[in-house]
Amino acid sequence: EAQVTQNPRYLITVTGKKLTVTCSQNMNHEYMSWYRQDPGLGLRQIYYSMNVEVTDKGDVPEGYKVSRKEKRNFPLILESPSPNQTSLYFCASSLHSGRGYTGELFFGEGSRLTVL
Amino acid sequence: GNSVTQMEGPVTLSEEAFLTINCTYTATGYPSLFWYVQYPGEGLQLLLKATKADDKGSNKGFEATYRKETTSFHLEKGSVQVSDSAVYFCALSLMDTGRRALTFGSGTRLQVQP
Repeated sequence: EAQVTQNPRYLITVTGKKLTVTCSQNMNHEYMSWYRQDPGLGLRQIYYSMNVEVTDKGDVPEGYKVSRKEKRNFPLILESPSPNQTSLYFCASSLHSGRGYTGELFFGEGSRLTVL
Repeated sequence: GNSVTQMEGPVTLSEEAFLTINCTYTATGYPSLFWYVQYPGEGLQLLLKATKADDKGSNKGFEATYRKETTSFHLEKGSVQVSDSAVYFCALSLMDTGRRALTFGSGTRLQVQP
């Protein structure tokens, strides 16, 4: 089954304790991205990756890091989480090539993070 | 910059009622337009899309028409069901940019009562 898998789905942590949210896709997509969802703001892009070893900032990258060492994986790293990073996080992927890209992003089920 | 504005929810309807969720946008360039749906506890999934002016996207009884003159992409369904209860997001994408970022509206929660 084609899917984007995120872990953990739920996490409560404390300020300053480093954490990683993993994301894996099995569709051989070149493009992957992280979004955060906050009430009244919709989804905002944090980081994206066009392919392995190619990453770039989205609209709200502060406080986050990413890496893309393998095509299928795109972890989101919070080096020193703060309460304003409490949010619902979504990983998404899509085909990259111009002809193959339809505008459709495939989303994971989300990871709800609470930073105390 | 690019932005998407949706009507605020929640929208509460009885089963078989007609649904309209308004969406307007501002964009530099010629965006593609999308409606995504988020069912409780799940990620977003594409509902329908339109890539150029006057295109109509449709899926599962939902429709939306890309209106360039009014910069709108309103979502409609003739007869809603309880299973349509979800949050609906309007979004745009400038397909020719490498970022591939979707600009989302704030979402509209639909509650359908039996």
